[in-house]
Amino acid sequence: AQSVSQHNHHVILSEAASLELGCNYSYGGTVNLFWYVQYPGQHLQLLLKYFSGDPLVKGIKGFEAEFIKSKFSFNLRKPSVQWSDTAEYFCAVKVSGNTGKLIFGQGTTLQVKP
Amino acid sequence: GAGVSQSPSNKVTEKGKDVELRCDPISGHTALYWYRQSLGQGLEFLIYFQGNSAPDKSGLPSDRFSAERTGGSVSTLTIQRTQQEDSAVYLCASSSRSGGRTEAFFGQGTRLTVV
Repeated sequence: AQSVSQHNHHVILSEAASLELGCNYSYGGTVNLFWYVQYPGQHLQLLLKYFSGDPLVKGIKGFEAEFIKSKFSFNLRKPSVQWSDTAEYFCAVKVSGNTGKLIFGQGTTLQVKP
Repeated sequence: GAGVSQSPSNKVTEKGKDVELRCDPISGHTALYWYRQSLGQGLEFLIYFQGNSAPDKSGLPSDRFSAERTGGSVSTLTIQRTQQEDSAVYLCASSSRSGGRTEAFFGQGTRLTVV
């Protein structure tokens, strides 16, 4: 069965620090990859997505992610975090050509200290 | 509607009672998902509807859980004989089609507390 693993459960950073959140998935075929963010008290919203083409994708608010097929990874990065980035981040995978089932990782809570 | 709508937003129920949670997807979206979000557990997949096809029920944790989608639109998640471990936020999402290259849009969720 497909699964998604996020290695960092809770990350604490100071403002202006760089961020990288790990995401690995287990499936050998074609995948579609997503990062979602949930700000405190708000609903989940899409941060960025990868379907095909350039493996480095850019999303909203200065976030980017790189798809490395050989490592089954889709890590999220941001060069300089802000206090407003405090949120929970979820990586998700949808197997291409499958029924469309979307599988999420356990989530990473990011706390940015001002 | 403009987004995915879930009701109620909060539900407190007594152990052993049945509850129904409602999801109104974005108009025209053919795919609908239910997830359960518990503290420290991330998003647990429950069930997935795609158009008129049979739903993927592989994530339902027990036979106390069931879901329906009427007319390809509104969905209801029913939990029978609720237990305290059912306490969680139940999230609904929809997407424009069942294929891989679509993003899912989420509702605000229903916070269920079983006392």
